[in-house]
Amino acid sequence: GAGVSQSPSNKVTEKGKDVELRCDPISGHTALYWYRQSLGQGLEFLIYFQGNSAPDKSGLPSDRFSAERTGGSVSTLTIQRTQQEDSAVYLCASSLGGTPLRNTEAFFGQGTRLTVV
Amino acid sequence: LAKTTQPISMDSYEGQEVNITCSHNNIATNDYITWYQQFPSQGPRFIIQGYKTKVTNEVASLFIPADRKSSTLSLPRVSLSDTAVYYCLVGALYSSASKIIFGSGTRLSIRP
Repeated sequence: GAGVSQSPSNKVTEKGKDVELRCDPISGHTALYWYRQSLGQGLEFLIYFQGNSAPDKSGLPSDRFSAERTGGSVSTLTIQRTQQEDSAVYLCASSLGGTPLRNTEAFFGQGTRLTVV
Repeated sequence: LAKTTQPISMDSYEGQEVNITCSHNNIATNDYITWYQQFPSQGPRFIIQGYKTKVTNEVASLFIPADRKSSTLSLPRVSLSDTAVYYCLVGALYSSASKIIFGSGTRLSIRP
């Protein structure tokens, strides 16, 4: 597609359930990022994939959060045993990655609004 | 990663020039300065990027002094549609681990 696509756009789930959020990056982009944004707050870095390198998981808030990127393309963010504090907009972004200048320009999807009730 | 500091919020009026300054005192030699804009209910989008001196594009200008410890995003003749959150980021482009970290941003409100 022309841009980064995320699904679903909205997700309401019950506390304790698992959820999967999907991200389709721009074709050819080797870098993929997941961020979380609570209402009125800045972007919280979660995880970063770059090519075939091991992902940088330093931003994941707990072991209930995990992410995969299959075939260097589509990524899935999984939240297990959801809690109310997980409610936020989850944003995915992709970039060409590496060099040269502006190859790290990140293109964002519209996000998935997760509400845990 | 270099830490950035920018004002939490700013107000201005239509037609005015708006300057948002970001401090990044521990910027490294390989770091570039990038600004993103985020409208409500949308993901951020790239505005401008620079290394030193001045960069200008169709949207904004970026002024970077010689010591590179700060940068100023300049929006000429703002309109209501420029109301958004503006993020200043500093990081190396030539690193395989160049994850992009966002700060709190500056919430810009434009009034008629």
